[in-house]
Amino acid sequence: QKEVEQDPGPLSVPEGAIVSLNCTYSNSAFQYFMWYRQYSRKGPELLMYTYSSGNKEDGRFTAQVDKSSKYISLFIRDSQPSDSATYLCAIPDAGKSTFGDGTTLTVKP
Amino acid sequence: DAGITQSPRHKVTETGTPVTLRCHQTENHRYMYWYRQDPGHGLRLIHYSYGVKDTDKGEVSDGYSVSRSKTEDFLLTLESATSSQTSVYFCAISENGGEQFFGPGTRLTVL
Repeated sequence: QKEVEQDPGPLSVPEGAIVSLNCTYSNSAFQYFMWYRQYSRKGPELLMYTYSSGNKEDGRFTAQVDKSSKYISLFIRDSQPSDSATYLCAIPDAGKSTFGDGTTLTVKP
Repeated sequence: DAGITQSPRHKVTETGTPVTLRCHQTENHRYMYWYRQDPGHGLRLIHYSYGVKDTDKGEVSDGYSVSRSKTEDFLLTLESATSSQTSVYFCAISENGGEQFFGPGTRLTVL
C-alpha cells in the first residue's frame, strides 16, 4: 500500500462548479498536509498547507484534514478556467515529502 | 519566485551515454531534491540532500548518483543512460524539509 493515495481523475467541470479533490494516507503520525498545483509543463508550486485536523481557507480554496479517517481534501469554490491544472497532495516527513500521483482538473468555460 | 534553476532544460541523448543534470539555488536552503515525473507515476524521489556532502536515496535511485559539494549546487548523474530514464526531471529545494520549491524541470529523452 502506498503511503499516500490520490483520486486519479481526470476531472472535468463547468466554470463555477465546486470541485473536491481527495487523498488518503496510511500513517496516523503525519501532522502536516500540503497541496501543490502544477500547470502544464511547469514545476509544482505550493498552494496550501494545513497542520493536524480541521479546515484552512484561502480565498476560493479550502483544505480539510480528517485525521480520524486519514483523509485530506481540497475544495475549490467558483472554479475558473485558470484553475485547470494538476493538483498533488503531499505529506512531509523526516525531511522528505511523499506525493500523491495527482488529479488533473479541467474547468471548461 | 524561489531562485532555483535547472540546466539543461532539454536534452536528447543516446543509450549508454553519461548525462549530468544540474540544479542551482540562490536561496541557501538546506535541502535539495531530485524527482522524476512520468505519466501514471506522479513525482518520484530519486535522491535528496540534507546538507553539503550529505545525501540519501529515494524510492527510484537505481541507475542514478548525486553529488553536492556546495550548498547551491546539486548534480544528478546518469552513469549510462537507458531508455527507461526518459522522463521529466525536477529539482526542488526546502529550507526545513517541509514546503518545497520546484525548478522548471528538465526534459530528458534517451534514444
